[in-house]
Amino acid sequence: QKEVEQNSGPLSVPEGAIASLNCTYSDRGSQSFFWYRQYSGKSPELIMSIYSNGDKEDGRFTAQLNKASQYVSLLIRDSQPSDSATYLCAVKTGRQGAQKLVFGQGTRLTINP
Amino acid sequence: DAMVIQNPRYQVTQFGKPVTLSCSQTLNHNVMYWYQQKSSQAPKLLFHYYDKDFNNEADTPDNFQSRRPNTSFCFLDIRSPGLGDAAMYLCATSSHTPAEQFFGPGTRLTVL
Repeated sequence: QKEVEQNSGPLSVPEGAIASLNCTYSDRGSQSFFWYRQYSGKSPELIMSIYSNGDKEDGRFTAQLNKASQYVSLLIRDSQPSDSATYLCAVKTGRQGAQKLVFGQGTRLTINP
Repeated sequence: DAMVIQNPRYQVTQFGKPVTLSCSQTLNHNVMYWYQQKSSQAPKLLFHYYDKDFNNEADTPDNFQSRRPNTSFCFLDIRSPGLGDAAMYLCATSSHTPAEQFFGPGTRLTVL
């Protein structure tokens, strides 16, 4: 089982709709979770971090965390063509003193005008 | 603006010819990371520095080395690049491990 798993997509969503991106992780002790956006040929850009169960909203983005189910998701409301990118889920994992971020392989999202 | 800078943005080298990639930051962060990312794959952590302390990932090949002469700069040395080392190399920083990480623009390495 991979440490961080995402559906690689592509996920195609019409403009103005809600895009839902999902991520599962294997380390039950993980406490910190991040979503990065990566445009083709560019580097990852941090868009959300979440540490507690529940929802965290920032503009059109909502991150959702369920530690019991080891599941984190990202919702993008009112999707725009500029949201077309690969979205990477990253999880802080490992024992104290040797922790690191482990990235999923990313979900490629396409917003269709 | 505080930022992470990588040079060069594109590097072409020959098989077996050593190459050095550079990263600098104005964020004054303690931690600097090097990742390798191949097409359609997750970024793979090679190593990181917490201040002067070097932390190597167990599966990072010996062919990859790093130096951090001061807080602002970190270098990735590839001693004998192979065709399989062609990738995007990403430098990232964070204020402590392994908090929110901020990435530089990356260096695209081509090995001929």
